[in-house]
Amino acid sequence: DAMVIQNPRYQVTQFGKPVTLSCSQTLNHNVMYWYQQKSSQAPKLLFHYYDKDFNNEADTPDNFQSRRPNTSFCFLDIRSPGLGDAAMYLCASLLRAAYNEQFFGPGTRLTVL
Amino acid sequence: AQSVTQLDSQVPVFEEAPVELRCNYSSSVSVYLFWYVQYPNQGLQLLLKYLSGSTLVKGINGFEAEFNKSQTSFHLRKPSVHISDTAEYFCAVSKGAGNNRKLIWGLGTSLAVNP
Repeated sequence: DAMVIQNPRYQVTQFGKPVTLSCSQTLNHNVMYWYQQKSSQAPKLLFHYYDKDFNNEADTPDNFQSRRPNTSFCFLDIRSPGLGDAAMYLCASLLRAAYNEQFFGPGTRLTVL
Repeated sequence: AQSVTQLDSQVPVFEEAPVELRCNYSSSVSVYLFWYVQYPNQGLQLLLKYLSGSTLVKGINGFEAEFNKSQTSFHLRKPSVHISDTAEYFCAVSKGAGNNRKLIWGLGTSLAVNP
């Protein structure tokens, strides 16, 4: 089945140690999003790619970076994780003609020790 | 500016009872509206969406929602809930166009179905 896949599902890192989260989609969608979701909160958009165009949200910290090497894959890099970066990270994709129906992956739960 | 208000942060209900989760939005333009469900430690799954046409929208798992333009509401309903419906429910409205399409999210409603 076509879907959005996130690896790993659970990631533990140490304070200040760089970490990369991975997302892939088999839907051939043009747009990919990264969200941060803390406990009992709504998802917060970090950035998104429209094809190769990168769109950063104004309040996304510089500590968060992203790469999209091809249509299928997108990575979230956290350069120096702090305790406040512990959260669920959600990846989503969108076919641009589909009126904003975003398809979500299962998420990666990040723990920072 | 567009915004979404989910009027109840928590809704407890007994199994087989009806439920309504309330959502109001503000927008000066035509809207596309969505309800997503999130089970513990999972991603978000689309329940239903309103794009245009009939104001009563049917979704998965027996849920439906009614778009009310005059009241700027998009309330989610289910006539008889199951224990398995226990989850977080998010209402969202679209924003932007072209290469800048995003969703504006409500804060979520936690539905707890008790036996």
